[in-house]
Amino acid sequence: DAKTTQPNSMESNEEEPVHLPCNHSTISGTDYIHWYRQLPSQGPEYVIHGLTSNVNNRMASLAIAEDRKSSTLILHRATLRDAAVYYCILIDGGATNKLIFGTGTLLAVQP
Amino acid sequence: NAGVMQNPRHLVRRRGQEARLRCSPMKGHSHVYWYRQLPEEGLKFMVYLQKENIIDESGMPKERFSAEFPKEGPSILRIQQVVRGDSAAYFCASSPITTDTQYFGPGTRLTVL
Repeated sequence: DAKTTQPNSMESNEEEPVHLPCNHSTISGTDYIHWYRQLPSQGPEYVIHGLTSNVNNRMASLAIAEDRKSSTLILHRATLRDAAVYYCILIDGGATNKLIFGTGTLLAVQP
Repeated sequence: NAGVMQNPRHLVRRRGQEARLRCSPMKGHSHVYWYRQLPEEGLKFMVYLQKENIIDESGMPKERFSAEFPKEGPSILRIQQVVRGDSAAYFCASSPITTDTQYFGPGTRLTVL
């Protein structure tokens, strides 16, 4: 499985946008970029995923670089409930879809 | 549509006992994944099952651990002769098809005394 690199931690203020980066320089053409997050004492939660084009949903936006070697998860207005560990994961579209979690980015949101 | 359900939420066992963790996938989902999160560590894939079949068990410890997903009923993760190192949070996820989003349950927190 291709690896991803994320900062260990980031801080944000409430109601401000947050940009969470992820590098995946060895991504292959069939790898989808998925983001999950894990709130304290809870199971992981799907956030968003994409292949080549930027994606938007009710939770966040995903901006994918043209060469696909990096991506950015964008939370448009951070809330205290967004404090979590965010994981960027590559999944081969033709494989078993098991998730290989890295260390993720611990996002702290200040009021 | 109820989410993924896991029970029990908390389980305490003494060394040498057996632990059985149950996972009921979301309605219509026939794919189940189990993950383990050791204290202060990340989530690790354990096993991927479809109804009555183990598809990928590359993350399962070779001994004492087994998993099943019968035609009827929940998926079961079974740990025989538990040891203190098995203390962890065990998460189950389900998906409707192989390449779709995984939906996680709240987890079972196993404590081995």
